Amino acid sequence: QKEVEQDPGPLSVPEGAIVSLNCTYSNSAFQYFMWYRQYSRKGPELLMYTYSSGNKEDGRFTAQVDKSSKYISLFIRDSQPSDSATYLCAPSTSGTYKYIFGTGTRLKVLA
Amino acid sequence: NAGVTQTPKFQVLKTGQSMTLQCAQDMNHNSMYWYRQDPGMGLRLIYYSASEGTTDKGEVPNGYNVSRLNKREFSLRLESAAPSQTSVYFCASTGTVETQYFGPGTRLLVL
Repeated sequence: QKEVEQDPGPLSVPEGAIVSLNCTYSNSAFQYFMWYRQYSRKGPELLMYTYSSGNKEDGRFTAQVDKSSKYISLFIRDSQPSDSATYLCAPSTSGTYKYIFGTGTRLKVLA
Repeated sequence: NAGVTQTPKFQVLKTGQSMTLQCAQDMNHNSMYWYRQDPGMGLRLIYYSASEGTTDKGEVPNGYNVSRLNKREFSLRLESAAPSQTSVYFCASTGTVETQYFGPGTRLLVL
């Protein structure tokens, strides 16, 4: 079993839809849960992160962690074509190194 | 302020050839990383450097060596390239949990 599982997609949605991106993980020691966005042929960029359980909101993006079920989610409200990218989850026991990356979910938002 | 820079952007090698991938950051970050990204595998950590003068193996270190030349620069060397090392290589640096940046990547093809 991989430490982090993520559906590769692609996930296609119409503009304005609410998008739900998810990961599951197996290591209960993970405390930091990162989300990265990667545009085609570019490096990943940190989108947001949560520490331990709970929700965190940043504009149209909400990150959610359920440690009891080892489930990580990223919600995008009012999705835009500019949100079309690959989204990678990456939990970590520490906040600054040894992230375990998921394979990424490719999202397409159709205008 | 250039962030994280990587050279070269693209390289073709023959099996057995050697090369060094260069990475530099201008954000005064202590931690630097080398990842490789392969289809269906996500990002995998090759080596990590917590500070100048220290390096640590990641998930896939075999066939690679690194040098943390100073605080700014972290190089990755392939002594004898193999086709299995065909990949996209990303360098990253971290200051705090919120300040993580990736370089634009180096695409390496080993024939």
